[in-house]
Amino acid sequence: DIQMTQSPSSVSASVGDRVTITCRASQGISSWLAWYQQKPGKAPKLLIYAASSLQSGVPSRFSGSGSGTDFTLTISSLQPEDFATYYCQQANSFPPPITFGQGTRLEIK
Amino acid sequence: QVQLVQSGAEVKKPGASVKVSCKASGYTFTGYYMHWVRQAPGQGLEWMGRINPNSGGTNYAQKFQGRVTMTRDTSISTAYMELSRLRSDDTAVYYCARDRRSGGILYYFDYWGQGTLVTVSS
Repeated sequence: DIQMTQSPSSVSASVGDRVTITCRASQGISSWLAWYQQKPGKAPKLLIYAASSLQSGVPSRFSGSGSGTDFTLTISSLQPEDFATYYCQQANSFPPPITFGQGTRLEIK
Repeated sequence: QVQLVQSGAEVKKPGASVKVSCKASGYTFTGYYMHWVRQAPGQGLEWMGRINPNSGGTNYAQKFQGRVTMTRDTSISTAYMELSRLRSDDTAVYYCARDRRSGGILYYFDYWGQGTLVTVSS
């Protein structure tokens, strides 16, 4: 299985800050990567797919980059509603299974 | 608008089976693959498998092979996930999630159900 490792596991930041979360795959996955946001008690929400494509309706302060094994999610100016847990997910379907990172909890400083 | 509405919470004993439903609306059910993802309490996300609602074809994560069955009823636009021989570590919220690609599969999940908590306890 392809292992996905996120860092940091948690981060504290303030409204208006720029935050970057990284995700590393155990083997190359080209650009087959997505990012999700999850708030407590809610289902995950797709933010970014294909490493850098913004899902419809997602604010432009979210951006993704990377290919191969190293990826980043950047939030350019944190808003109060952005405090949540973020997951990366590899979509390189051969071989299955699809796997997620362990999550990064973004907390208010 | 696209909606995925799942069945309610379940409490099961070890060794039993559970069947979770996911009713789709707002789009052509047979046009998009459906995936199932679970999340144990306080833990991360785990992909279980997917079904092609058009053909009924399935692909399961090896971890669940032999215990999971994904089916669908196209007449009522509903997907099902049945997990058998339940153990305490199957306690989790189970989500259905639609694949983002129409007519194919990308393994990006753009719409999610609200989740179904399955508790396995003696």
